[in-house]
Amino acid sequence: QKEVEQNSGPLSVPEGAIASLNCTYSDRGSQSFFWYRQYSGKSPELIMFIYSNGDKEDGRFTAQLNKASQYVSLLIRDSQPSDSATYLCAVSGDYKLSFGAGTTVTVRA
Amino acid sequence: DAMVIQNPRYQVTQFGKPVTLSCSQTLNHNVMYWYQQKSSQAPKLLFHYYDKDFNNEADTPDNFQSRRPNTSFCFLDIRSPGLGDAAMYLCATSSSGRAHEQYFGPGTRLTVT
Repeated sequence: QKEVEQNSGPLSVPEGAIASLNCTYSDRGSQSFFWYRQYSGKSPELIMFIYSNGDKEDGRFTAQLNKASQYVSLLIRDSQPSDSATYLCAVSGDYKLSFGAGTTVTVRA
Repeated sequence: DAMVIQNPRYQVTQFGKPVTLSCSQTLNHNVMYWYQQKSSQAPKLLFHYYDKDFNNEADTPDNFQSRRPNTSFCFLDIRSPGLGDAAMYLCATSSSGRAHEQYFGPGTRLTVT
């Protein structure tokens, strides 16, 4: 079983600030990396995926991957109250995902 | 809109009384997954189907079974629910062409009394 570690938080940021979330993984053979957003009582929603080293930007979200360091991160720019949720990091090397326990983000208005 | 649907959204069952949760999808994805998620924990994969091939996780209790009668539907059967089985049950799908991207249904919240 792949291990995926995240800081549980909560991470509290003021509205308009950058939220930075980190994730490390144990399996060097992992090939695909995902960030899911999960609102309280709801199911996970895929917001970003990244396969190659470097940065990938999508709107206010930027995913960063460093396979040598086995590290993946998510930046949320111009944080909004609607970004308040738990963010799950997930890692895959086959058809299965291994999830971290998630980082809870609270954006203060 | 193409989607993953789970029924019921909330299920209450008694200790030891069998329960079935259902999942359907209109995405025409060939891979379907069942996860269990407890409060403040990561989703835990129970099993998945790659087409008709069933793949059980080694640590999934025998109390949990699954059926996939066709591409669109998948069922989770809990034969004798215990109090520890109270959780959110999530169905997800993916396409073998993009197998790593999984899309989740809204989940079924199971309560065991």
